[in-house]
Amino acid sequence: SQTIHQWPATLVQPVGSPLSLECTVEGTSNPNLYWYRQAAGRGLQLLFYSVGIGQISSEVPQNLSASRPQDRQFILSSKKLLLSDSGFYLCAWSAVGLNTGELFFGEGSRLTVL
Amino acid sequence: EDKVVQSPLSLVVHEGDTVTLNCSYEVTNFRSLLWYKQEKKAPTFLFMLTSSGIEKKSGRLSSILDKKELFSILNITATQTGDSAIYLCAVGIQGAQKLVFGQGTRLTINP
Repeated sequence: SQTIHQWPATLVQPVGSPLSLECTVEGTSNPNLYWYRQAAGRGLQLLFYSVGIGQISSEVPQNLSASRPQDRQFILSSKKLLLSDSGFYLCAWSAVGLNTGELFFGEGSRLTVL
Repeated sequence: EDKVVQSPLSLVVHEGDTVTLNCSYEVTNFRSLLWYKQEKKAPTFLFMLTSSGIEKKSGRLSSILDKKELFSILNITATQTGDSAIYLCAVGIQGAQKLVFGQGTRLTINP
């Protein structure tokens, strides 16, 4: 069966510090991978998605970047965090083509920037 | 710009009540509409709808899609405290490998 792991679960960082959130998927090959952010009281905002190694689509201009160095690994990064980067970050995967229509989510990473 | 709007944003009811959650959308090329339940951290999948007028049902939960009027509803009957969660609506875009989410409805069921 497929599993998705995301870490760290909680992170408190000062403004201007770097960020690295990691996500790995097991039990499937060539998944589509996604990073979403959920601000308090809001829905999910798509930040990045990837359909293959090295292929990254950015949905919104921002202070963040994403990379996919391996088939089942997706990393969210920032060189210098802003206060507005605080939020709940969710990694997700889907089968290629979204045939089932379903995204499978990790447990999330809560980032607080002080 | 693709947009998904949910209402209400927040709802508080008593156990045993029936609730209806709404989701409307404006997207360039509709493929599917999905409902998720988020209790603590990871959202979990409830339904996917692609055809208009066909109800999907799972226990006390049901959902229907109206592709002409561009909306969907999620019904929960005989609510229980375990139904308390954020309910998320998302729309899949034809030709794009992504889902666009609404703001979510925070549902609270009081005993």
